[in-house]
Amino acid sequence: GEDVEQSLFLSVREGDSSVINCTYTDSSSTYLYWYKQEPGAGLQLLTYIFSNMDMKQDQRLTVLLNKKDKHLSLRIADTQTGDSAIYFCAVPNSGNTPLVFGKGTRLSVIA
Amino acid sequence: NAGVMQNPRHLVRRRGQEARLRCSPMKGHSHVYWYRQLPEEGLKFMVYLQKENIIDESGMPKERFSAEFPKEGPSILRIQQVVRGDSAAYFCASSPPGPGSGELFFGEGSRLTVL
Repeated sequence: GEDVEQSLFLSVREGDSSVINCTYTDSSSTYLYWYKQEPGAGLQLLTYIFSNMDMKQDQRLTVLLNKKDKHLSLRIADTQTGDSAIYFCAVPNSGNTPLVFGKGTRLSVIA
Repeated sequence: NAGVMQNPRHLVRRRGQEARLRCSPMKGHSHVYWYRQLPEEGLKFMVYLQKENIIDESGMPKERFSAEFPKEGPSILRIQQVVRGDSAAYFCASSPPGPGSGELFFGEGSRLTVL
């Protein structure tokens, strides 16, 4: 089955850029997702990218996809304290359901 | 337009008791998924259900855990004879029928503590 790996922690200063990385194993995935989880809350979809794209930009968020290396990244520009959360990379399992999640990267923003 | 509703938000049980977690999907969604989140272990898939059918239960422990999504009413995740290792946050997600982006819409979670 699908396996998704992420680093567990990232700490950045307010105003800097954050880059969260993810690797996956199944190359047949069509959509790849980034979810955000704030403390004590559920997961909310942050953004997603279709597998025929290599980049998607949405305001402060940039998603890069390297299909050859099976590498997905999320860049947050001008990181704010409100961006402190856990960020999950999610990739569909075979047959497109259900989503397999990485362990999540805990982003800490230092003022 | 209510999102995915889970209850209870917090549940405390003693070892050996039963825990029942409920999930009402978003309006118009017919697919329900249950995930478990343990500290430092991320989100683990448990089961995928459609109305009156279990589609994929490959992530469910073989004993003590069961799930249903009846024709009427919420989906239920049932844990019998709870043990301390069952303490976790249990998240329900739903998705609409038919092909789409595959996005899952999550509830706020039910946090189970086993004493």
